Formats: sequence, structure tokens, C-alpha cells
Amino acid sequence: AAGVIQSPRHLIKEKRETATLKCYPIPRHDTVYWYQQGPGQDPQFLISFYEKMQSDKGSIPDRFSAQQFSDYHSELNMSSLELGDSALYFCASSILAQETQYFGPGTRLLVL
Amino acid sequence: GDSVTQMEGPVTLSEEAFLTINCTYTATGYPSLFWYVQYPGEGLQLLLKATKADDKGSNKGFEATYRKETTSFHLEKGSVQVSDSAVYFCALSDRGRGSTLGRLYFGRGTQLTVWP
Repeated sequence: AAGVIQSPRHLIKEKRETATLKCYPIPRHDTVYWYQQGPGQDPQFLISFYEKMQSDKGSIPDRFSAQQFSDYHSELNMSSLELGDSALYFCASSILAQETQYFGPGTRLLVL
Repeated sequence: GDSVTQMEGPVTLSEEAFLTINCTYTATGYPSLFWYVQYPGEGLQLLLKATKADDKGSNKGFEATYRKETTSFHLEKGSVQVSDSAVYFCALSDRGRGSTLGRLYFGRGTQLTVWP
């Protein structure tokens, strides 16, 4: 079965640089969620989208922005990167009518 | 606010031993509850879920029962295998209570290592 696809899988950036993470949901899923998992931490919710509209917002820094496109894929844009942004970033998708979220493999971001 | 408290690890067991990982939650109303598993280098995989009180979720020999009276959702397996070695996360959804679509609140995760 098709799963959530995230790219890139690994990313290394310098401080103050920008990064763009991409997420391709499971086919026919209309909802996308982003989570951040710091080293040894539990995943923390960042933001969610339904039908290209932002729905809920969590602890997402103002330096980050995200959007969902007409083909339902989503991008998380991160600017002025800081060392503390080093983490595993997960995307999850679901169908609005269902509550279960299906996660991608994550993008591991390292900020040097 | 919503939160999940999960038994701290690491947990080390011999193959065929009985597993329990405790999970309790704090939330208004009756959230849906989930267990996710994360194998080394991989993403989070849904293991099982329960959406209302007294529901039992089960998958791959793992079970968890939604206990409203104790606000718990403990994960159990009667006989673990080496291949069960992973990190296990308990989570709840605040759909319809704190958010529209439902954000997941996770516990800290429990590292399970099973030795042959």
C-alpha cells in the first residue's frame, strides 16, 4: 500500500540558512499534519491543513511557514535556521472523516 | 490541557516474556487513544487504537483497553519477539475538543529491547 512520502530524508544546513521539506500524502488523503521530534523527545505538533487551508496551529515558530497545494502535497519552509531546529520532522496524512494519522518516514534536519 | 504520561524505559525483556507498557492520559471528554511504534531509522507506524471507553485495540499480538475510570491505555503483549524491539509511543487526539482536525499528543516513548 502507498505510504506518506517525505523528501529529502536527510538535510544538513548551516545556521541562518533556509530549508524546505516536502510531504506527499497517501493518495486520496486530504489532510496533512506536521510534527517535530527533537532528540530523545516525543513528537510535537506544528501545523495541519485540510483542502489547502490551514486548520490548526501548534508550537510552530514564526520563522516557519507551511502550505498545502492543489495536489494535496505540503511543504514546510524554515528560515533563519537555528541549532535548536535540528530534529526529525514528520508529516502525517489522513482522510477528514477518519481520525487516524499515517506518518511518513520523516526528514532528519541537522543545523550546524 | 491534554497530555499523556507514559512509563519510562528502557524496558529490556527476554524473548517470550510478557510485556506491559503503562500509559495514562489527561484530557477533557473522551479522546481517541493510539499506540504508535517507531523502529530504528523509521517513521511512526500505527500499532492500534481505541475510540471510546472499554474499546480494546489489538494488532500483531499487542492489545490495549481504553479505561475511562483510570484514564489509562496500557499496552500488553503476551509473548514478545526480538522483532518487537522498537520505541513505543502512546498518544491521544484532541479532535473536536482542542482542534478541528485533531492534533496528537504523544507520551515520551518507551524503548523496548528484546533479547533472544
